[in-house]
Amino acid sequence: AQTVTQSQPEMSVQEAETVTLSCTYDTSESDYYLFWYKQPPSRQMILVIRQEAYKQQNATENRFSVNFQKAAKSFSLKISDSQLGDAAMYFCAYRRGYGGSQGNLIFGKGTKLSVKP
Amino acid sequence: NAGVTQTPKFQVLKTGQSMTLQCAQDMNHEYMSWYRQDPGMGLRLIHYSVGAGITDQGEVPNGYNVSRSTTEDFPLRLLSAAPSQTSVYFCASRKGGNTEAFFGQGTRLTVV
Repeated sequence: AQTVTQSQPEMSVQEAETVTLSCTYDTSESDYYLFWYKQPPSRQMILVIRQEAYKQQNATENRFSVNFQKAAKSFSLKISDSQLGDAAMYFCAYRRGYGGSQGNLIFGKGTKLSVKP
Repeated sequence: NAGVTQTPKFQVLKTGQSMTLQCAQDMNHEYMSWYRQDPGMGLRLIHYSVGAGITDQGEVPNGYNVSRSTTEDFPLRLLSAAPSQTSVYFCASRKGGNTEAFFGQGTRLTVV
């Protein structure tokens, strides 16, 4: 079975600084996707960034980028120029790329990020 | 375009009561899922559906029932509520292929 591990329950960053959230996963499959979701206090689940396993290039979305190390099964999220609005719970998630359950996400336990002004 | 709509947003139940959490999507998505979120546990899959008339169990299905009679709706039924079912519940939907999941705004359920 696939698992997703986030080893940092809480992180803190100074406004305008850079922070990296860690995520590792375990799978024997070759076709899969990885995601980072943001959950602010409003409870809404917001997709931050996604990575296809077959792509070697790391995904980037504005201030958010990932470091995808497929062999090490590592998928960290870097937030540059942190803003107060980045304060939230961040979840790493995995989804297989095929099969009847391909629509389902497997989540890590989350990292609570606080941003200090 | 409403996306994924969950009702209610908040609910308090007494132990032993039954209720249905509603989930509807207007995007013609095949895949729909229910997750529960507990502190320190992330989101865990309860039940899912890959199309109308097809449902299957996820990681934590006990105490919950689902059906998918239409593409749009995927209700989650609590048969006899227990305090252990106090949680935040999310419904999500997705089109097939390489597409992202859309989440509802969640239902905070408290069982006393």
